[in-house]
Amino acid sequence: DIQMTQSPSSLSASVGDRVTITCRASQGIRNYLAWFQQKPGKAPKSLIYATSRLQSGVPSKFSGSGSGTDFTLTISSLQPEDFATYYCQQYDNYPITFGQGTRLEIK
Amino acid sequence: QVQLQESGPGLVKPSGTLSLTCAVSGGSISSSNWWSWVRQRPGKGLEWIGEIYDTGTTNYNSSLKSRVTISRDRTKNQFSLRLTSVTAADTAVYFCARKPSGEYSIDFWGQGTLVTVSS
Repeated sequence: DIQMTQSPSSLSASVGDRVTITCRASQGIRNYLAWFQQKPGKAPKSLIYATSRLQSGVPSKFSGSGSGTDFTLTISSLQPEDFATYYCQQYDNYPITFGQGTRLEIK
Repeated sequence: QVQLQESGPGLVKPSGTLSLTCAVSGGSISSSNWWSWVRQRPGKGLEWIGEIYDTGTTNYNSSLKSRVTISRDRTKNQFSLRLTSVTAADTAVYFCARKPSGEYSIDFWGQGTLVTVSS
């Protein structure tokens, strides 16, 4: 199975900040990397697919990049609604696997 | 806008079978999509369970493969999850989701349903 490792596991930031979350795959996954946002008690929300493509309706403050094994999610101009847990996911190989999550908290 | 809604018993006895259904509205299950199940144990991360395509082709997480079956009912526009021999470790919120085929990842999720395994 491909292991997905996110860093950091938690992150404190202020409203207006720009943050970056990293996701590393244990082997190459081409560009089959997705990012999801989850708030407590809610279903995940799909943000990005194919490394850098925004899902419909997702604001451009979210951006993704990377290739091979190293990927990043950047969120610019943080707003209160952005504080949540973020997960990366590889879907290049079965079983599909998720990172352990990065909890983004308000400083 | 596609909507997915999970349903099923919220409590299952140990060694029993967990059965959930995901009703799809706003789109046909007979389309170029994979219909997926993902779970989240209390306080933990997301775990992919498996998926089914319109043709009936399935893919399962190897960690659950011997216990899991995903099926679909075109006439009811829904798909289902069956997990046998459950233990407390299967207590989780179960989400159904849609993943278009190709380079797309999951785009729509159900709200999730909590299943507790307890006697």
